Amino acid sequence: ETGVTQSPTHLIKTRGQQVTLRCSSQSGHNTVSWYQQALGQGPQFIFQYYREEENGRGNFPPRFSGLQFPNYSSELNVNALELDDSALYLCASSLAGTSGWTDTQYFGPGTRLTVL
Amino acid sequence: QKEVEQNSGPLSVPEGAIASLNCTYSDRVSQSFFWYRQYSGKSPELIMSIYSNGDKEDGRFTAQLNKASQYVSLLIRDSQPSDSATYLCAVKGSNYQLIWGAGTKLIIKP
Repeated sequence: ETGVTQSPTHLIKTRGQQVTLRCSSQSGHNTVSWYQQALGQGPQFIFQYYREEENGRGNFPPRFSGLQFPNYSSELNVNALELDDSALYLCASSLAGTSGWTDTQYFGPGTRLTVL
Repeated sequence: QKEVEQNSGPLSVPEGAIASLNCTYSDRVSQSFFWYRQYSGKSPELIMSIYSNGDKEDGRFTAQLNKASQYVSLLIRDSQPSDSATYLCAVKGSNYQLIWGAGTKLIIKP
């Protein structure tokens, strides 16, 4: 167990709806990264939050947005859901130094999102 | 486009043998390299991290890094059926992002 938790475990939405996924980071970690993993693929980096600010973003449209709270927990919001958004969404926490450089990332169990 | 390449497999290895998993990467400035194991339907689990050229051993696992050849590998000695999983190689680039390979599916045959 990594100490990283995610909710919900599974979610079914319809196209055009909005969804919020939640993540609690491991104790002592200040950085959260979000990934999308389609079936049979490696994780794709969505964005990373460090001290409540976005600290890097992958090739995802603006309808993917996030937040990090003072306790370092985080949310991933996806608006206007599309069928291709169906995937496993992974949250990973890590500890970053003052330069923002992070080391090893530890993953939560993931949220399986199905868009119909 | 910075990339991490892995053979998708499946790689089939008899129980008790050595499994060898390979990964190549394109970003020459990469300094941190990770191997994760992922069981079907589960999230990735860290196995090894390696930062310097050469070998790093942890129990039955050995990671090997060759920065000149942009190549990182994972050896699993005395393979067990519980080692059957997908193994993901991840490389950290200069912008703090982890770039992932698509994974190699490993099957250990009893």
